[in-house]
Amino acid sequence: QKEVEQNSGPLSVPEGAIASLNCTYSDRGSQSFFWYRQYSGKSPELIMFIYSNGDKEDGRFTAQLNKASQYVSLLIRDSQPSDSATYLCAVNSRSGNTPLVFGKGTRLSVIA
Amino acid sequence: GAGVSQTPSNKVTEKGKYVELRCDPISGHTALYWYRQSLGQGPEFLIYFQGTGAADDSGLPNDRFFAVRPEGSVSTLKIQRTERGDSAVYLCASSRSSGSNHEQFFGPGTRLTVL
Repeated sequence: QKEVEQNSGPLSVPEGAIASLNCTYSDRGSQSFFWYRQYSGKSPELIMFIYSNGDKEDGRFTAQLNKASQYVSLLIRDSQPSDSATYLCAVNSRSGNTPLVFGKGTRLSVIA
Repeated sequence: GAGVSQTPSNKVTEKGKYVELRCDPISGHTALYWYRQSLGQGPEFLIYFQGTGAADDSGLPNDRFFAVRPEGSVSTLKIQRTERGDSAVYLCASSRSSGSNHEQFFGPGTRLTVL
């Protein structure tokens, strides 16, 4: 059973701080890793993906992958109230087009 | 460009009825996925298509659920003899078939309520 684990939160951070969201996965053969943001009542929106060990930065977002530790994280710098949402970690166990396995998501609350 | 579209946005039905949910993927995306999301949970995989054929239907919970994609574009998820436990948001996603990037993009979902 492939599993993706996330702390459900809520994670509360003050405006302007760094929010750190973490995810672990059970399938050591996993190939691709995704972070989706989901506002209440809306569908998941892709914000980051990472395929190789290390860091990947895109604006205020940084994804970090450590395959040896089976760990992927998302850092949000200069957090804004508009970042308040549930962040879903998703893992693709094989290369190419295959279904994603999602965690339950971490609810982030950025306090103004 | 247009994203993934799903209809209807909301569907209320009675236990035992039949429902169809429709998904129109992003133009040019040959892979199409159906997921189901319950409150407080992440999306759960149901079935995925590569072109017209179901490449993996291992997530379908039982034989009341069926999906088709006859022309390799629009897909319909069909649920027979609906049960209250089928109530959830049904999400459709699509992705490209070629290249190294296979990011999946989601539609707005169909909220199904079985009374």
